Amino acid sequence: DIVMTQSPLSLPVTPGEPASISCRSSQSLLHSDGYNHLDWYLQKPGQSPQLLIYLGSNRAPGVPDRFRGSGSGTDFTLKISRVETEDVGVYYCMEGLQIPFTFGPGTKVEIK
Amino acid sequence: QVQLQESGPRLVKPSETLSLSCTVSGVSVTFTNYYWAWIRQPPGGGLEWIGSISYSGNTYYNPSLKSRLSISLDTSQNQFSLRLSSVTAADTASYYCARQLSYNGRLDVWGQGPTVSVSS
Repeated sequence: DIVMTQSPLSLPVTPGEPASISCRSSQSLLHSDGYNHLDWYLQKPGQSPQLLIYLGSNRAPGVPDRFRGSGSGTDFTLKISRVETEDVGVYYCMEGLQIPFTFGPGTKVEIK
Repeated sequence: QVQLQESGPRLVKPSETLSLSCTVSGVSVTFTNYYWAWIRQPPGGGLEWIGSISYSGNTYYNPSLKSRLSISLDTSQNQFSLRLSSVTAADTASYYCARQLSYNGRLDVWGQGPTVSVSS
């Protein structure tokens, strides 16, 4: 199985300030199709996870442009340009390269 | 608008079989190139991908659960289902169904994820 790690695991943020989450995989997620098979999800308190980013850097429909995914191979980053209070929750990265799909442990984002 | 809704018993006895169905509205489960997935989350824990089934009925299972797992498609009810046998307390979790837009992930619509408890 591909092992996914995230850092930090806890991230206190100030509204209006930027935030960044790192995700690393135990093997490259770059597929022969040229895409990195890496998704980002946000699970807001009491809710189901929601898709933010797919294929490493593509925003899902309806996701604000303050969210940006980047990276390639084994190192990926999710950046929020200006955090809003509605962005609190747990962020997960997930690899979609091989079965079984695996998730990172999650990064809990909360307001300072 | 695509919506998914899980249904099934919320309490299962140890050694018995956990069964859940996911009713899909807004799109056919046989729509070409869609997959349908199950994911679970233990209380206070992270996410675990259980398995998926394609629009044509091909299944993909997490090897850690494969010996106890069955995922099937019911086109007449526009549903897909999960059966997990020989459950233990470790199987207590919120069970989410989700639409998987591609063979490489991209879980774009999720159900509510009811908690299923395993207890006598």
